[in-house]
Amino acid sequence: EVQLVESGGGVVQPGGSLRLSCAASGFTFDDYAMHWVRQAPGKGLEWVSLISGDGGSTYYADSVKGRFTISRDNSKNSLYLQMNSLRTEDTALYYCAKGPDGDYAIMWGQGTLVTVSS
Amino acid sequence: EIVLTQSPDFQSVTPKEKVTITCRASQSIGSSLHWYQQKPDQSPKLLIKYASQSISGVPSRFSGSGSGTDFTLTINSLEAEDAAAYYCHQSSSLPQTFGQGTKLEIK
Repeated sequence: EVQLVESGGGVVQPGGSLRLSCAASGFTFDDYAMHWVRQAPGKGLEWVSLISGDGGSTYYADSVKGRFTISRDNSKNSLYLQMNSLRTEDTALYYCAKGPDGDYAIMWGQGTLVTVSS
Repeated sequence: EIVLTQSPDFQSVTPKEKVTITCRASQSIGSSLHWYQQKPDQSPKLLIKYASQSISGVPSRFSGSGSGTDFTLTINSLEAEDAAAYYCHQSSSLPQTFGQGTKLEIK
């Protein structure tokens, strides 16, 4: 069964850091680009970041560029999002999603909630 | 950054009705436009890829059309289970972006 399971969310103070993880199973992980997409409470979807299958190419939304870093460990079938200098507006449910070639997201995890609050 | 504008933001519809949701891009994106459905408390689900290509397992009442800047998601013969938010997503240029969403309520 194909699965994506996010973890690492929690409550953090403004200016703090958090590292999200996404464990993949049931498919050949390094064949797929991977996205992070977030959704603030009661709001719409916001694309955050993308990484190629080999990890060699990474892309970011302007709102997180310079603060967030996407990475992957294909030997562990895992995707990561290192989030630094967190702001209250980063509060959201963070989804990882697999995309065959970095275009559409064909499957999504259940999300992990990040709350940035003092 | 390419801005995607969906209309309407909200629509209340009756079962068996035909529904049309539009997505307009701020510049041409070819056919790099995808549609998702998100039901309450669930993760998004891919409905249509590359403007009009169907996805295995998605009911045939869902269809997409358009290219360039104007796109449409059509739901024929709406069912109660289609109550959800619908989002368009462009992958033509970086950063990728989503539309603001359209919420469908079933009367």
